[in-house]
Amino acid sequence: AQKITQTQPGMFVQEKEAVTLDCTYDTSDPSYGLFWYKQPSSGEMIFLIYQGSYDQQNATEGRYSLNFQKARKSANLVISASQLGDSAMYFCAMRETPTGGGNKLTFGTGTQLKVEL
Amino acid sequence: NAGVTQTPKFQVLKTGQSMTLQCAQDMNHNSMYWYRQDPGMGLRLIYYSASEGTTDKGEVPNGYNVSRLNKREFSLRLESAAPSQTSVYFCASSGTGGASYNSPLHFGNGTRLTVT
Repeated sequence: AQKITQTQPGMFVQEKEAVTLDCTYDTSDPSYGLFWYKQPSSGEMIFLIYQGSYDQQNATEGRYSLNFQKARKSANLVISASQLGDSAMYFCAMRETPTGGGNKLTFGTGTQLKVEL
Repeated sequence: NAGVTQTPKFQVLKTGQSMTLQCAQDMNHNSMYWYRQDPGMGLRLIYYSASEGTTDKGEVPNGYNVSRLNKREFSLRLESAAPSQTSVYFCASSGTGGASYNSPLHFGNGTRLTVT
């Protein structure tokens, strides 16, 4: 079973509008973490935001916020006031309880976001 | 402030050739990782090293070997390259101490490998 599902292969949004990128996950582990990364066309992976399973509040980082609905097992990324520079691939990733150390992440297949004028 | 450095950036191999991808980090991180990225499949973990002296298989280890040379360096070796190993390879590292399992992975800029 896929652990991280991103059902939107591509999304369009107009500049200055808000956009929500969907992410659902599957785990029976009570302790887990959810990460979002941005990959612009230049190829680098940029960390955006983190949400822990025990965090009481939704994470926010500038224009990025995470709509965390634990019962629904969803961790959607909300980008407010979209900018042309937000055009990129966005990946959701999950960390389950580390076994043997490390911080292995399982990634979704990504959502390609294009911001239009 | 280099972060995670990967070499080379591009490589073309013929089937059966071998090569080593190099990765070094200067953030004093304990854990290092190798991922591959293929279109429509996201990033998949090949191998990781939770700490110096240890390595473990990830989701797609077949055809690869790794060496954690020291705390800074983690290399990925393809002994006999196959066209199915055409991909973009990313090295990453992550935090040290405390709740380090919540710390994000820091990625290198990737190596684009083509096997013909």
